[in-house]
Order: sequence, then structure tokens, then C-alpha cells
Amino acid sequence: KAGVTQTPRYLIKTRGQQVTLSCSPISGHRSVSWYQQTPGQGLQFLFEYFSETQRNKGNFPGRFSGRQFSNSRSEMNVSTLELGDSALYLCASSLEGGFGSNSPLHFGNGTRLTVT
Amino acid sequence: KQEVTQIPAALSVPEGENLVLNCSFTDSAIYNLQWFRQDPGKGLTSLLLIQSSQREQTSGRLNASLDKSSGRSTLYIAASQPGDSATYLCATSRTGRRALTFGSGTRLQVQP
Repeated sequence: KAGVTQTPRYLIKTRGQQVTLSCSPISGHRSVSWYQQTPGQGLQFLFEYFSETQRNKGNFPGRFSGRQFSNSRSEMNVSTLELGDSALYLCASSLEGGFGSNSPLHFGNGTRLTVT
Repeated sequence: KQEVTQIPAALSVPEGENLVLNCSFTDSAIYNLQWFRQDPGKGLTSLLLIQSSQREQTSGRLNASLDKSSGRSTLYIAASQPGDSATYLCATSRTGRRALTFGSGTRLQVQP
């Protein structure tokens, strides 16, 4: 069974530009969540989608947005990039994701975004 | 607000040694706790998930315990191998939803 696939693997962007990252979950998984990983802040939750609906959002500015499609694939978008947005962006999928869920998260290998 | 702490930040041990990684959390109202490993430049691999009603979970040479009342979890690795070298992270979920709170990790190096 294929794992979580994230594309692209690496991205270099300039301040002020916008970027879109893509995530394909494990087949059958309906919950997709996104995390940002930096050396200073560690892993921080961005948002979670389930059946095309955003169910939860972390403490990030509105420049960070996402969506989920009917096939459970998800994209996240960052507009007006800042130097501090340089990070590894990780996508994770799980079978479920609602209250009372004990489905483990399965992560992709991430997209390394560098903002210059 | 939940805070998750992992001590030590780094650990180096000789091959074959049994070791314990520690994870503590400030809010005991968790639904589950998950242990992950992360290899350099890679994503996270789920190792064990302990539900709040459970005391421990085992998978192969790994054993994770959970003591909610004291806000602690430990990951025990038996007979460590060089292939175990990685960063180990623990994360809590308050409701079962996907907004996990992660610790900063323990970087483990197993010397051959």
C-alpha cells in the first residue's frame, strides 16, 4: 500500500511569492492534517481536513490556507511568503480523525520550503 | 495549553544497551499519546499509540508506558541497534483529533 505522498520534495521561493504544496493520503484515509517543522519551534499543527471540511486550525496567520478534494487529496497554500516560513511542511493522513479517534497518524516525507 | 517535554535532548549509547526515553506533559487530560521516530530529512514514522485507558503498548523491541496522573510516558528500547539511531518524538492528542502537541524530541545515536 502506497504511503503518504507529498510534492514537490523541495521548493525555493522568494519573499512575497506564494506557494502551493500537495499531499496524497494513503488510500482509504479521509483525514489529512498539516504540520510545520522548524529547528526553533519544532512541529506545529497547521490544520486538519476531513471529508473536504476544515475541522481544526492551528495558530497560524491567514496567509496559510488549505483545502481537501473529494478524493481526499489535500493542498496547502502560503501567500506573501516571509523568510520565517522556511520549514519542512509535513502532511499526515489517518483513517479517521474525529473526536475519540485512536487512528495513528501516517506522515509523508515532507516538502522542504526555502524562502530567500 | 499543553506543553510536552522530552529529556534528554540527545543520547548516545553503545549497541546492545537497553534504554529509556522520557516524555512529560503538563495537561493530563489527554485522549492518547503517540511515539514517532524521524530519520534525517524524512517524515515521521508512527511507532506506538497508547490510548488514555491503557498503561502500555508493545511492538517488537519497543515498549511504551503511560502514566496520565503524573503526566509521563516512557519509551523503552531493548537491545539497541545502530539502525535505531534517529530522533524520537512523543505527541499528545487532547480529543482524538489530529491537532497533536509534539515534544522537541530526543536524538538517539547507537554506536556500533
